[in-house]
Amino acid sequence: EVQLVESGGGLVQPGGSLKLSCAASGFTFSGSAMHWVRQASGKGLEWVGRIRSKANSYATAYAASVKGRFTISRDDSKNTAYLQMNSLKTEDTAVYYCTRTKGGYFDYWGQGTLVTVSS
Amino acid sequence: LPVLTQPPSASALLGASIKLTCTLSSEHSTYTIEWYQQRPGRSPQYIMKVKSDGSHSKGDGIPDRFMGSSSGADRYLTFSNLQSDDEAEYHCGESHTIDGQVGWVFGGGTKLTVL
Repeated sequence: EVQLVESGGGLVQPGGSLKLSCAASGFTFSGSAMHWVRQASGKGLEWVGRIRSKANSYATAYAASVKGRFTISRDDSKNTAYLQMNSLKTEDTAVYYCTRTKGGYFDYWGQGTLVTVSS
Repeated sequence: LPVLTQPPSASALLGASIKLTCTLSSEHSTYTIEWYQQRPGRSPQYIMKVKSDGSHSKGDGIPDRFMGSSSGADRYLTFSNLQSDDEAEYHCGESHTIDGQVGWVFGGGTKLTVL
């Protein structure tokens, strides 16, 4: 059974940092592109960024809204993807989902972890 | 960048049919989109991919009463025989590579209420 389990969310002050983790199981993590997608309360989905596999040079891409502040990484030995968030803003408050692409669509999603940026 | 527009809400009676719409920005009218279902308090779930020619490919376990189609810049998700379990938020999304930059965009979502 495929599982994606996010952790690391919480309350952080504006300007602060937080690192989210996504633990994967049930599929070949090392061969998969992993993404982060967020959803503010009552709002739609927003793609945050992605990291490709080793075969694709661990290439990363980010949404314009987070570029330069957020960094996605992965540790294939631990089947885990990470989202390092720096210089956080109140508008970054959202549930953050870890998800995988296969065939160009997001086929598996985690349960999400809530990040609240507030003073 | 592509823009996907969805009406914020829709409603229909139990057992009825309804068509949800996702409209692509005109210069991106040939793009393929994906539909996702998000039940209250749950993570999104992939439903199907819909191409500009109206062909579609569903995810595993998606019922036959869910159908996809297209017309111009519009991509549709049609439900027949609505069930209470269909009450959810429906998101459309697409992926693109423009000027060498890859990205994904979602519409604002449509909240479907089953009356």
